[in-house]
Amino acid sequence: EAQLVESGGGLVQPGRSLRLSCAASGFTFDDYAMHWVRQAPGKGLEWVSGINWNSGSIEYADAVKGRFTISRDNTKNSLYLQMNSLRPEDAALYYCAKALSYNILTGLIFFDHWGQGTLVAVSS
Amino acid sequence: AVQLTQSPSSLSASVGDRVTITCRASQGIRSDLGWYQQKPGKAPKLLVYAASTLQSGVPSRFSGSGSVTDFSLTISSLQPEDFATYYCLQTYSYPLTFGGGTKVEIK
Repeated sequence: EAQLVESGGGLVQPGRSLRLSCAASGFTFDDYAMHWVRQAPGKGLEWVSGINWNSGSIEYADAVKGRFTISRDNTKNSLYLQMNSLRPEDAALYYCAKALSYNILTGLIFFDHWGQGTLVAVSS
Repeated sequence: AVQLTQSPSSLSASVGDRVTITCRASQGIRSDLGWYQQKPGKAPKLLVYAASTLQSGVPSRFSGSGSVTDFSLTISSLQPEDFATYYCLQTYSYPLTFGGGTKVEIK
C-alpha cells in the first residue's frame, strides 16, 4: 500500500523560506507523477504544484509561481517543495499526493494517495 | 483558469437517502473530472475519476456522471460513514482547480 509522509512544516515569519519533504514508500516512486496540494484552515483544497516522473515537466499555481520550487529525488523516493518569500496567505496544511500516472500533462492526472499533511504557519 | 462551481455548498440528508452533488465547469473539460471525499482531520480520498470511473475499493453506491461542463456525483443510499465534504477536481488544464466543496450533514 502506498504511503506518503510529509515533514518540514512549522511557523515562519513572512518573507522567510521553508522546505517541505515527502517520503514515499509502498510503490515504485519513479513510475508516478507527484503533486502538492494545500488547504488553509477551514477552507477548501488548492492545487499548488506537480512534477512528472523524471522531473521533465513541472507546473505551478499562479499564486506560488516564482516563489515555490518543486523537485524530486527518485534515488531517495522523496518529493520536495522549496517555499521562498512566504506570505501569510501561504499558511495551510500541505499535502503530498501521488498521481495515477507518470505524466502530469496527459493521461490520468488524478491523485489516488495522499499523505496526512504538514502544517505551515506564516506569521510575525 | 477553469472554475468549478459545486452545488449545493451544503446539504442535510438522512441515512438511506439518495444524494446528488453537481459540479459545473466554466468551460468544456471533456471528462477530465474527479470526485474526492474528505472527513474532518483526514486527507481527501479519491472516489471517482475521468467523470465516471469508480476508484478501486470505493463502494458501488457512489457513481459519477457527466461530461464537458456538467457533472454529478450520486450516492444511491447514504450511509453513516458518508457524512463528509465532497470536492470535484478538474485535470483538463493547468492550473488544476477544485470546486468549493459540498458538506453533507446528518439530518
